[in-house]
Amino acid sequence: AQKITQTQPGMFVQEKEAVTLDCTYDTSDQSYGLFWYKQPSSGEMIFLIYQGSYDEQNATEGRYSLNFQKARKSANLVISASQLGDSAMYFCAMREGRGKSTFGDGTTLTVKP
Amino acid sequence: DTGVSQDPRHKITKRGQNVTFRCDPISEHNRLYWYRQTLGQGPEFLTYFQNEAQLEKSRLLSDRFSAERPKGSFSTLEIQRTEQGDSAMYLCASSLVAAGGAETQYFGPGTRLLVL
Repeated sequence: AQKITQTQPGMFVQEKEAVTLDCTYDTSDQSYGLFWYKQPSSGEMIFLIYQGSYDEQNATEGRYSLNFQKARKSANLVISASQLGDSAMYFCAMREGRGKSTFGDGTTLTVKP
Repeated sequence: DTGVSQDPRHKITKRGQNVTFRCDPISEHNRLYWYRQTLGQGPEFLTYFQNEAQLEKSRLLSDRFSAERPKGSFSTLEIQRTEQGDSAMYLCASSLVAAGGAETQYFGPGTRLLVL
């Protein structure tokens, strides 16, 4: 079974609007971490935001927020006020315990002017 | 620049040749990871080190692949007798494991390998 599922291969959003990128995960661990990364066409993976499984508040980092619904095992990324530079591939990842992360297959976001 | 660096950024080789990639992590980070990413997919874990100890290896890491981190600083990933299926982006990431910390992995720019 897929540990990380990103159901949206591609998304479009108008500049200055908000967009939500979906991520669901599968784990039986109580302690885990959820991450979102951005990968522009240059290839580098850029860390955006982190949510720990015990964190009660949703994580926020500037225009990024993580909508964490533990019971539904979802960790959606919300980008507010989209900019043209947000066009990229976005990956959701999970770390169970310490060590390696498991990544989803990504969502390509295109911001339209 | 204090980020993760990788060298080379691009490598073209012929099938059957050996290649070696280098990763320099963020200086105070004690963990170093290698991932492989093929087109249209997310990164797949290969192996990781804590300091100089290799703690886990994926079954993806065949006996043609070897990784080292001899002094707990930089790491090398060697692929022997390359095959066309080895063509991918090889990503290195580093992190600082500390008590109660989030252990966020920070990635380098990757090495793009093409095997002809």
